[in-house]
Amino acid sequence: KQEVTQIPAALSVPEGENLVLNCSFTDSAIYNLQWFRQDPGKGLTSLLLIQSSQREQTSGRLNASLDKSSGRSTLYIAASQPGDSATYLCAVRVRGSGTYKYIFGTGTRLKVLA
Amino acid sequence: NAGVTQTPKFRVLKTGQSMTLLCAQDMNHEYMYWYRQDPGMGLRLIHYSVGEGTTAKGEVPDGYNVSRLKKQNFLLGLESAAPSQTSVYFCASRKDFGQATYEQYFGPGTRLTVT
Repeated sequence: KQEVTQIPAALSVPEGENLVLNCSFTDSAIYNLQWFRQDPGKGLTSLLLIQSSQREQTSGRLNASLDKSSGRSTLYIAASQPGDSATYLCAVRVRGSGTYKYIFGTGTRLKVLA
Repeated sequence: NAGVTQTPKFRVLKTGQSMTLLCAQDMNHEYMYWYRQDPGMGLRLIHYSVGEGTTAKGEVPDGYNVSRLKKQNFLLGLESAAPSQTSVYFCASRKDFGQATYEQYFGPGTRLTVT
């Protein structure tokens, strides 16, 4: 059974610091991996999606990498800002019971201190 | 283009009451999903639909029913609410497999409390 883990559960960093968020999954048979941002009381906003054949994706100050063989993905945030404070979730797309589904991690709650 | 919208935003129910949550999307997406989010457990799939008139069970379907009578709408029903259904409910949608990268788009959520 696929499990997705995000460690740490919470992280506080000073403004301007570069940081890495981790996502690990137990079964390497994934079709893609998606990183989301969730602000308190809000829905999920897609940040980056990496197909299983890709190694990384970049958007602005964000860079996501994928290593299927080791079951890991990282989200790198450069020059962090207080506006980056949110919970970051990763999800993997897998095949199961005749259809595809998404398995989510529990998230890393990030606080960037001004 | 409003994306994915959910109605209502908040609701408090008494045990045994029923209600329907509405999800609407204006992106002409084929696939729609209902998730629940509970502390420390991540999002879990309740039901999903691969197109108008179709529905299927997800990971935690018990106590819920769904309908997809129109492509743009996906309804989640609770026939007899229980305290264990206190949660935040999210709807999501995505394009058909032949069109794009399977990226999901989420609504803002409905916070439901069952007393």
